[in-house]
Amino acid sequence: EAGVAQSPRYKIIEKRQSVAFWCNPISGHATLYWYQQILGQGPKLLIQFQNNGVVDDSQLPKDRFSAERLKGVDSTLKIQPAKLEDSAVYLCASSAGQGMSTEAFFGQGTRLTVV
Amino acid sequence: AQSVAQPEDQVNVAEGNPLTVKCTYSVSGNPYLFWYVQYPNRGLQFLLKYITGDNLVKGSYGFEAEFNKSQTSFHLKKPSALVSDSALYFCAVRDDTGFQKLVFGTGTRLLVSP
Repeated sequence: EAGVAQSPRYKIIEKRQSVAFWCNPISGHATLYWYQQILGQGPKLLIQFQNNGVVDDSQLPKDRFSAERLKGVDSTLKIQPAKLEDSAVYLCASSAGQGMSTEAFFGQGTRLTVV
Repeated sequence: AQSVAQPEDQVNVAEGNPLTVKCTYSVSGNPYLFWYVQYPNRGLQFLLKYITGDNLVKGSYGFEAEFNKSQTSFHLKKPSALVSDSALYFCAVRDDTGFQKLVFGTGTRLLVSP
């Protein structure tokens, strides 16, 4: 079974530029998550989708971050404009359904450096 | 809202010795608990989970975890550590209220010395 695919693996941009990350979840997984992991910290949930609907985006900085999951499969996360503090690894994960007992499977992440 | 605490930033253990990585949680409803491991430049890998039933859960690579409801803890254990177990370990919790967000702790670095 193919895992969660993310691209790019690395990205370096200047502050105030925009950037987009792409995620392809495991086939058939209805729930998709985007996490932000700052160096030395645990992953912080930015947004959670159930199919193509948003379940939780309470920690998404909506003035600069946006995410979509068209057709309930692939997802993109965008930052516009980027700030220095956005430097982090952005992790995408997916799980089968929204059941409490289902574990999430993670991609390798995109490491973003804002200079 | 649910939360997870991992009180130790780093745990050091000699190869062959038992290891314990601590985790405590707080939830409104019933907890669903998970352990993940992260190797350098890699995503998180699922190790094991507690849903219900037996308080001792066995997972991948010889790891196990003990759920203790009265102490709201879910400590990760392994009887005999390997150098290759050195990595970053995250505890996570989801409860059965609200939107079942999966919330992670800050992580514990495990260093196993030869």
